[in-house]
Amino acid sequence: EPEVTQTPSHQVTQMGQEVILRCVPISNHLYFYWYRQILGQKVEFLVSFYNNEISEKSEIFDDQFSVERPDGSNFTLKIRSTKLEDSAMYFCASSEGPRVYEQYFGPGTRLTVT
Amino acid sequence: SQQGEEDPQALSIQEGENATMNCSYKTSINNLQWYRQNSGRGLVHLILIRSNEREKHSGRLRVTLDTSKKSSSLLITASRAADTASYFCATVLRHRAGSYQLTFGKGTKLSVIP
Repeated sequence: EPEVTQTPSHQVTQMGQEVILRCVPISNHLYFYWYRQILGQKVEFLVSFYNNEISEKSEIFDDQFSVERPDGSNFTLKIRSTKLEDSAMYFCASSEGPRVYEQYFGPGTRLTVT
Repeated sequence: SQQGEEDPQALSIQEGENATMNCSYKTSINNLQWYRQNSGRGLVHLILIRSNEREKHSGRLRVTLDTSKKSSSLLITASRAADTASYFCATVLRHRAGSYQLTFGKGTKLSVIP
């Protein structure tokens, strides 16, 4: 069964460093998402991406964040200058198309900023 | 904003018993979904119920929706140790261009004791 994959599974970085989190969505899906979950808190929406551009972003997704689909398979989240409060699980998700509301999530990347 | 809030926050039952989790939300919805998260893993879509449906079944899962009370419940019958996980309800906020975001509650942590 097709699945969303994410790498790395765990990333440790120092405050101020740039990190890139990678995702490979399901191949025939058209919509891509990033969510994050701070330990013990809710899963929060960060950004949605369609047709090679951001279609919506949350207040959390400030200028420090960017997303890219550099080729036909990868979808990346970059945090330019990490802060301690960026420590969280980051989940990538994809969905098939409009009016198909199920999202398929990857296993997540645990980001630890020290 | 639409929010799902589950109760109870934690539920511990014996294997074979039924588990019921509830979710309340604040605004009108197109559909409501339930997801499962095993510890430290990604979210897995379980079931979607549309706003014009009152009840839906999938295997040992039964979901109800009461739009007048803005609430939903998830029933897992004949629970197994493998059902141990956190369960989240999610509402959909649609964006332009067909994308949408899921808004999750804090979840119910279910422990099934063998």
